[in-house]
This record gives sequence, structure tokens and C-alpha cells, in this order.
Amino acid sequence: AQSVTQLDSQVPVFEEAPVELRCNYSSSVSVYLFWYVQYPNQGLQLLLKYLSGSTLVKGINGFEAEFNKSQTSFHLRKPSVHISDTAEYFCAVSDPSGGYNKLIFGAGTRLAVHP
Amino acid sequence: EPEVTQTPSHQVTQMGQEVILRCVPISNHLYFYWYRQILGQKVEFLVSFYNNEISEKSEIFDDQFSVERPDGSNFTLKIRSTKLEDSAMYFCASSVQGVGSPLHFGNGTRLTVT
Repeated sequence: AQSVTQLDSQVPVFEEAPVELRCNYSSSVSVYLFWYVQYPNQGLQLLLKYLSGSTLVKGINGFEAEFNKSQTSFHLRKPSVHISDTAEYFCAVSDPSGGYNKLIFGAGTRLAVHP
Repeated sequence: EPEVTQTPSHQVTQMGQEVILRCVPISNHLYFYWYRQILGQKVEFLVSFYNNEISEKSEIFDDQFSVERPDGSNFTLKIRSTKLEDSAMYFCASSVQGVGSPLHFGNGTRLTVT
């Protein structure tokens, strides 16, 4: 069965420091990969997605992620974070078994940016 | 920017009662979804809906659950007889297309079953 593992439940970081949020998935077939962000009391907002093509994907708010098929990873990175990046980040995957319509989410990583 | 809206933001109900959660998807979207997140747990897929019928549902989506698009704008999730374990945040989402099309989520309805 499809699964997504976000290795860190919480990541504290100082403002302007770089950050990497890790995501690994399990699948033997081609998948689509997504990162969503959830700010307090809000819904999930798409940061970026990988469907095919270049393995380095750029998203909104200066975030990027790299798809690594051999390591089944899709880690999210930002070279310099802001206080406003404090939020919960969810990695998600969809695959042919769900017609690519069903998203399987990881448990989330809470990013806390400190001044 | 158009957005998915959900009402109410918080619903409290007694065990055994029926509850209807409402959503207005983005107007030109064709695919609709419900997800839920039990406190402290993962966001879980419940159901997807396209062309006025369910296209896929999870094992969570049993006979107590139903979805409906009663008119051209609303998309509802009904729980017939709520249980304590139904307490969760319920997210509605919609997308323009199915495959690879990003899902746009609402802000959620927090359902508390007492």
C-alpha cells in the first residue's frame, strides 16, 4: 500500500537559516508528489508539485523540492526562511491505484521559525 | 483568487445525530473531494466525486457517510448517525481536472461529537 513518511514531526530553525523538510514515499510505480502548507486556522495550500520532467521543482514562497526516484524521496527546501514560514507542511503522493485522484498524506512537519 | 468555502467552521453535535457539512467548490472545478484529519493524525482521504457520482471512496467512507451535489454550487458531506470517533477536521477540496491537477482546499469544518 502507498505510504508517505515525513521523518521530522517538528523542525525548529532560526530566521534566515536554510531548512530541509524530509519526505519519503513507498511505491513501485510512477507517482505524483506534492507539498502542501497549512497556516493556523486555514486550509491546505499547494506549495509545489512534481508530475514529470525536471526533478527539481520550484514552488511558491521560495520553496523548492527535489524528486529522487532511487531514494524515493521528495525533500522540501528553502535557502532562507522567514518568520511567516511558520506552519505545518504536508507531503502527499498520488498514484495510478487511485486514478491519481486520491492523495495520501504524510503526518506533517511543523516548522517553527524563531527570530 | 477564487477559493473553496466551507460552513460551518465548527459544528458540535451529539452522538447519534445526523450532521451535514457544506462546501462551495471553486465554480469551474469538476472534481470534488472530502478529507478528514483526526486531531494529531494524518489527513485522510474520504471520497472523490465527479460527474455527479462517487469516483472513489476509502474504507472510512462507510454506509454512514454520503455525499451530494444538490445544486450547481454546493457539495455536502452527510454523516447519518455520528460517533465519537467521527470528531475531526473535515476538509473539502476541488480541482479543475483529475489527474495531476492541484487540489484547492477549504479551511475545514471542525466537527466535535459529544
